[in-house]
Amino acid sequence: QKEVEQDPGPLSVPEGAIVSLNCTYSNSAFQYFMWYRQYSRKGPELLMYTYSSGNKEDGRFTAQVDKSSKYISLFIRDSQPSDSATYLCAMGNSGYALNFGKGTSLLVTP
Amino acid sequence: EAGVAQSPRYKIIEKRQSVAFWCNPISGHATLYWYQQILGQGPKLLIQFQNNGVVDDSQLPKDRFSAERLKGVDSTLKIQPAKLEDSAVYLCASSPPRAGGSSYNEQFFGPGTRLTVL
Repeated sequence: QKEVEQDPGPLSVPEGAIVSLNCTYSNSAFQYFMWYRQYSRKGPELLMYTYSSGNKEDGRFTAQVDKSSKYISLFIRDSQPSDSATYLCAMGNSGYALNFGKGTSLLVTP
Repeated sequence: EAGVAQSPRYKIIEKRQSVAFWCNPISGHATLYWYQQILGQGPKLLIQFQNNGVVDDSQLPKDRFSAERLKGVDSTLKIQPAKLEDSAVYLCASSPPRAGGSSYNEQFFGPGTRLTVL
């Protein structure tokens, strides 16, 4: 079993839709849970991170972590064509390498 | 603030040849990572440096891959000899010294070097 599982998609939604992206993991020692966005031929960039369980909101983005279920989610409200990218979940502990999911390819159509 | 720089951006070689990648992290970042991202996969750690010392190289194929970080700043990753399965994007990332508490040490990624082995 891989440490981090993520459905690779692709996921196609119309502009304005709510997008839900999810990952599961197996290592209960992880404390930080991140979502990275990666555009084609670019390096990943951090969208947001959550420490331990709970919710975090930043504009149109909401991250949720449920450590009891080992399940994390990213919600994108009012999705825009510019949100089209690959979304990578990642987790680990500060100062150490990240454990990434495969990434979910998202396409938001006008 | 300048980001993580990598070169070259693209490289095409034949199998059994050697290749080297270069990374210049963000100024002041003590920790440097090399990740390998195969098409359709998430990045996988190859090696982590803290200043010029190796923290984790457990997933580095040491029979063909080597890396160094001279003077705790720039780093080079070398593959010798290359295999077809080494075709991937090689990402360099750096992070600042740990702030402590629950704050997260963000890893900043460079644009990557796309390697194609024929």
